[in-house]
Amino acid sequence: TQLLEQSPQFLSIQEGENLTVYCNSSSVFSSLQWYRQEPGEGPVLLVTVVTGGEVKKLKRLTFQFGDARKDSSLHITAAQPGDTGLYLCAGVVLQGGSEKLVFGKGTKLTVNP
Amino acid sequence: DAMVIQNPRYQVTQFGKPVTLSCSQTLNHNVMYWYQQKSSQAPKLLFHYYDKDFNNEADTPDNFQSRRPNTSFCFLDIRSPGLGDAAMYLCATSREKRTGGTDTQYFGPGTRLTVL
Repeated sequence: TQLLEQSPQFLSIQEGENLTVYCNSSSVFSSLQWYRQEPGEGPVLLVTVVTGGEVKKLKRLTFQFGDARKDSSLHITAAQPGDTGLYLCAGVVLQGGSEKLVFGKGTKLTVNP
Repeated sequence: DAMVIQNPRYQVTQFGKPVTLSCSQTLNHNVMYWYQQKSSQAPKLLFHYYDKDFNNEADTPDNFQSRRPNTSFCFLDIRSPGLGDAAMYLCATSREKRTGGTDTQYFGPGTRLTVL
């Protein structure tokens, strides 16, 4: 069974601070996705990283895929209250011709004004 | 707008009383998924349909069933809900199972199920 460990589980910071969320596994994934989920809503895809060592930027968010494709990080610069939400990483697993997502438990981020 | 719609958004049922959750999509995607997400836990895949082909996860309890009468609709049936089945149920769609890269899954807003 492939597991993804996310840390920290909870994070409360002040507006303007920087933060990093980590997603780690002992398994190799073909790719990894990051989602953001707001209360009462479904997850929304932020980014997919595919190549080991890949770095992708989405405005103030920087995503990195580990060289061995087992881990990833999400860095937010100058966090804003609008960044508040549950951040989920999901590893993509190829199983019998199907792609499946293995989710981490998420990091609940609160950005205080 | 094209989207994934789940009804109802909130469902209350009694212990042991069958309940059906609904998902519809206007994306014309081939694949539809059902996930269970309990509080502070990761979404867990229950099963998925590729077109009419049903794929059950090995650890999905028999209490959970699904139907896909056509491309647009997919239902989750819980035959005898227990207290432990209280959760958010998420429906998702993707165009294909695999397109040579990673196909994006589009999630609905979820149905929060309460079991009394």
